[in-house]
Amino acid sequence: DIQMTQSPSSLSASVGDRVTITCRASQSISSYLNWYQQKPGKAPKLLIYAASSLQSGVPSRFTGSGSGTDFTLTISSLQPGDLATYFCQQSYTTPQTFGQGTKVEIK
Amino acid sequence: QAQLVQSGAEVKKPGASVKVSCKASGYTFSTYGISWVRQSPGQGLEWMGWVSTYNGNTNYAQKFQGRGTMTTDTSTSTAYMELRSLRSDDTAVYYCARRYVDTTVDTFDIWGQGTMVTVSS
Repeated sequence: DIQMTQSPSSLSASVGDRVTITCRASQSISSYLNWYQQKPGKAPKLLIYAASSLQSGVPSRFTGSGSGTDFTLTISSLQPGDLATYFCQQSYTTPQTFGQGTKVEIK
Repeated sequence: QAQLVQSGAEVKKPGASVKVSCKASGYTFSTYGISWVRQSPGQGLEWMGWVSTYNGNTNYAQKFQGRGTMTTDTSTSTAYMELRSLRSDDTAVYYCARRYVDTTVDTFDIWGQGTMVTVSS
């Protein structure tokens, strides 16, 4: 199985800060990398697909980059509503696997 | 708008079975597959498998092969996930998700609200 490793596991930042979350795959997954946001008590929501494509309706402050094994999710200006846990997921092969999540808190 | 609505919470005893439903609306059901993902309390996300709504083909994660069954009913636009021989570590929230696939894309673009399954004696 392909292992997905996210860092950091959690972070605390102020409103307006630039936040970066990284995701590393244990082998190359091309651009088959998706990012999801999960708010407390809610289902995950798709933010970014194919490593860098913004899902319709998602604010442009969210950007994704990377290919191969190393990927990044960036929030350009953190907002109070961004309090959530963020997961990366590889869809290159089955079993599809997720990172362990990065919990983002607001200072 | 497209949405997936899941059945309600379940409480089961060890060794029992559970069947969770996922009803689609707002889009053509047979155009997109349905994947199932679970999340144990306080834990991450675990892909369980996928079912084609076009022809019923399935692909299960190895740990669920033989114990899980994913099916669809196109007449009601509903997908089902059955898990048998339940254990305490099957306690989790179970999500269905619409699988969108294109040339270089394979993603879950719509999720159900989740179904809590509790396994307890």
